[in-house]
Amino acid sequence: DSGVTQTPKHLITATGQRVTLRCSPRSGDLSVYWYQQSLDQGLQFLIQYYNGEERAKGNILERFSAQQFPDLHSELNLSSLELGDSALYFCASSAPGEQFFGPGTRLTVL
Amino acid sequence: DQQVKQNSPSLSVQEGRISILNCDYTNSMFDYFLWYKKYPAEGPTFLISISSIKDKNEDGRFTVFLNKSAKHLSLHIVPSQPGDSAVYFCAASRSYNTDKLIFGTGTRLQVFP
Repeated sequence: DSGVTQTPKHLITATGQRVTLRCSPRSGDLSVYWYQQSLDQGLQFLIQYYNGEERAKGNILERFSAQQFPDLHSELNLSSLELGDSALYFCASSAPGEQFFGPGTRLTVL
Repeated sequence: DQQVKQNSPSLSVQEGRISILNCDYTNSMFDYFLWYKKYPAEGPTFLISISSIKDKNEDGRFTVFLNKSAKHLSLHIVPSQPGDSAVYFCAASRSYNTDKLIFGTGTRLQVFP
């Protein structure tokens, strides 16, 4: 158990819909990272928050947005969903030298 | 542009033998490298890392080698065990601290009896 929690574990929705994925980092970790893994590919970095502020952005679509709240949990919002958004979404929090990953949310867009 | 590459999608090794997983990178700004192991339906789990100032780091059965001039690293598992069967991801970062990770596409290792 990495100490990073993600909900829900599975999400099935239709094209055009909007969903919210939630992540709670390990106790004391200030950074949250979001990654997307599509079809047995590597994990692609989406966005990083540090203590409530956006720190870095990867190839995140404009239809996607994220935020980190004062209690340090983070939400990833995906809107106008397309079939190609079906993927595993992981969040991670970090200590020096390592990132700890949650179990992921599997999103299926039908 | 794939900055971190794992050119072998799969590897099959007999139990007790050595498993060697390879990874190449293109960005000379990468300063820190990590290997993660992933089982189905779970998140990646950290295995071992190496800083660019070193060429080898060892932790039990796992050793990572870094060749900076060739921009190549490898993970050696000796001896391989059936429980090592998983997908292994190589990842790179520009910093030891709180920087995003760039992942390779993974190598699926199967260790058979």
